[in-house]
Amino acid sequence: DAGVIQSPRHEVTEMGQEVTLRCKPISGHNSLFWYRQTMMRGLELLIYFNNNVPIDDSGMPEDRFSAKMPNASFSTLKIQPSEPRDSAVYFCASSLSGNGYTFGSGTRLTVV
Amino acid sequence: AQSVTQPDIHITVSEGASLELRCNYSYGATPYLFWYVQSPGQGLQLLLKYFSGDTLVQGIKGFEAEFKRSQSSFNLRKPSVHWSDAAEYFCAVADSGNTGKLIFGQGTTLQVKP
Repeated sequence: DAGVIQSPRHEVTEMGQEVTLRCKPISGHNSLFWYRQTMMRGLELLIYFNNNVPIDDSGMPEDRFSAKMPNASFSTLKIQPSEPRDSAVYFCASSLSGNGYTFGSGTRLTVV
Repeated sequence: AQSVTQPDIHITVSEGASLELRCNYSYGATPYLFWYVQSPGQGLQLLLKYFSGDTLVQGIKGFEAEFKRSQSSFNLRKPSVHWSDAAEYFCAVADSGNTGKLIFGQGTTLQVKP
C-alpha cells in the first residue's frame, strides 16, 4: 500500500498564477479530505468528499479555491489566482468510513 | 459545535521521563477520538484511536490514551520518552463518527532533553 500520494511536494509560484495540487487516496477508501496547515491557524479542513461527492466545503476560504474528485482515485485542489496568504502546507487525507484517517506527506506551497 | 482543546502548546521532558499530553473535547454524542503525531516536514501519522469499548487504548510507539467521559478528556501518555518522540502531537475528534470531518486541536510541541 503506497499510502496517500500528493504531488507536487513543493510548489513555488508567483502571485496571480494558477496552482493545482493533486491527491491520490488509498484504494478502497471512500472519504477524502483536504486540509491546510499554517502556523497561525493550525490545521483547517477545507473540503471533504464522500464517495466522490463534496459533502462540506464550508472551509474553502473563498471562490479562488476549488476542489474536484472526478473519480475514486484522484482529487485536485486548485487556487486561481494565487495570493501570498495562500502559502501553507496542504494535506490530503483519506479514510474508509471514518475508521482512521491516513494523511499524505503534504504539498508545501509558497506564493511570492 | 465540536471542538478540541490542547491546553499545552509546548512541553519539554527529559529522555526516559514519563509524558502526558492533555486533550479536552466538546462533542454532544459519543466521540470518535484520535491522536496524531507530526515530525518536521512530514504528514500526520495516526498513533491511536478510540471509538468505543475499553477506555484505555494502546497505540503505536508505546503510546496509550485514556478516554474519560466525565472529564471530556482523552489524554495521551507514554511511560518513558525517547529522543525520537520529539514532534508535534495533535488530538482530534471526528464529526458524526463516520465519514465525518476531523476536527483538530492546535497541537502540542514536544521537546525531549537528553
